[in-house]
Amino acid sequence: AQSVSQHNHHVILSEAASLELGCNYSYGGTVNLFWYVQYPGQHLQLLLKYFSGDPLVKGIKGFEAEFIKSKFSFNLRKPSVQWSDTAEYFCAVNVGIRGSQGNLIFGKGTKLSVKP
Amino acid sequence: DSGVTQTPKHLITATGQRVTLRCSPRSGDLSVYWYQQSLDQGLQFLIQYYNGEERAKGNILERFSAQQFPDLHSELNLSSLELGDSALYFCASSVASGNYGYTFGSGTRLTVV
Repeated sequence: AQSVSQHNHHVILSEAASLELGCNYSYGGTVNLFWYVQYPGQHLQLLLKYFSGDPLVKGIKGFEAEFIKSKFSFNLRKPSVQWSDTAEYFCAVNVGIRGSQGNLIFGKGTKLSVKP
Repeated sequence: DSGVTQTPKHLITATGQRVTLRCSPRSGDLSVYWYQQSLDQGLQFLIQYYNGEERAKGNILERFSAQQFPDLHSELNLSSLELGDSALYFCASSVASGNYGYTFGSGTRLTVV
């Protein structure tokens, strides 16, 4: 069965520090990859997604992610975090061409706390 | 506001009871997905409906059922509730059956006492 691993349960950074959150998935075929963010008390919002093409994907709020097929990874990065980035971040994978199976498999999430 | 509406926001009920959670998808979206979010299991896919028909099933217990109505709203029915069913239940919607990025609702927090 497909699975998604997020290595860090809780990351604490100071403002202006750089961020990298790890995500690995287990599936050898075509995948679509997503990062979602959940701010405290809010619903999950899509940060960015990768279907095909340029493996470096830019999302909203200055986030980007790089798909490395050989490493089955889709790490999320941001050069300089802000206090407002405090949230929980979820990596997700959907298998098949153009998400033909529909449902997403989520990682357990990484809580990011940014100290002002 | 994401456009996906879930009601109620909070629900407290006793073990053995039955509850119904409601989801109205974003306008134009035909697909509805239900997820359960708990501290130990994370986000678990339960079930997907597309234009009224069940499309995919995940880790949904037999005590749980769902349906999507002609107006595309969906209901998740949870019966014979147990303490372990306490969780956040999210609904998400998308335009098509395949996934191009969901829009999530704010969730229903269910507490079973």
